[in-house]
Amino acid sequence: SQQGEEDPQALSIQEGENATMNCSYKTSINNLQWYRQNSGRGLVHLILIRSNEREKHSGRLRVTLDTSKKSSSLLITASRAADTASYFCAFQGGSNYKLTFGKGTLLTVNP
Amino acid sequence: NAGVTQTPKFQVLKTGQSMTLQCAQDMNHEYMSWYRQDPGMGLRLIHYSVGAGITDQGEVPNGYNVSRSTTEDFPLRLLSAAPSQTSVYFCASSPRQGAEQFFGPGTRLTVL
Repeated sequence: SQQGEEDPQALSIQEGENATMNCSYKTSINNLQWYRQNSGRGLVHLILIRSNEREKHSGRLRVTLDTSKKSSSLLITASRAADTASYFCAFQGGSNYKLTFGKGTLLTVNP
Repeated sequence: NAGVTQTPKFQVLKTGQSMTLQCAQDMNHEYMSWYRQDPGMGLRLIHYSVGAGITDQGEVPNGYNVSRSTTEDFPLRLLSAAPSQTSVYFCASSPRQGAEQFFGPGTRLTVL
């Protein structure tokens, strides 16, 4: 399977703490994206990092990409209860359009 | 803009029945996709389209048909529903290859 793998599968933290989620993949990629899914809803795009980028920031989000290790991490700083959701990485490789998703990390932020 | 819309929100079918899941987008996006989401499996690509009249298979296409007669619409057809097709189905669109995808709210399908 070309699916990405995410680690951990579930993460529970207190409000104000930082949350780190990791994603690994097996193929060469053009870009890697992170999405959030609130329970029972559609996915929302968070951030996209290209294969020639090593780090990207968006508000309280920080994404890193290490193409030599075929891995990426998503850091959410100063977490809030509203950050409670599932987070998915997705990568796009080669010349085709397909986006391959990981299995997700369920983040619970306790007030 | 309404973004990506999907109908119905919920559907219960009996084994062997057929139905069409509707997906529409008003962002003039060329690329559209159908995914299914099952517990512990993440999202898996069923079919996708890179423009009107052009479709291709994803990771799990068996049992599903698609067509793309207009830029806006990308329906997914189940010809003979099976219990293994019980899942949540998401439609997504994207303005270009490699760009972010915009997801619809999903259709929760149960096949008895």
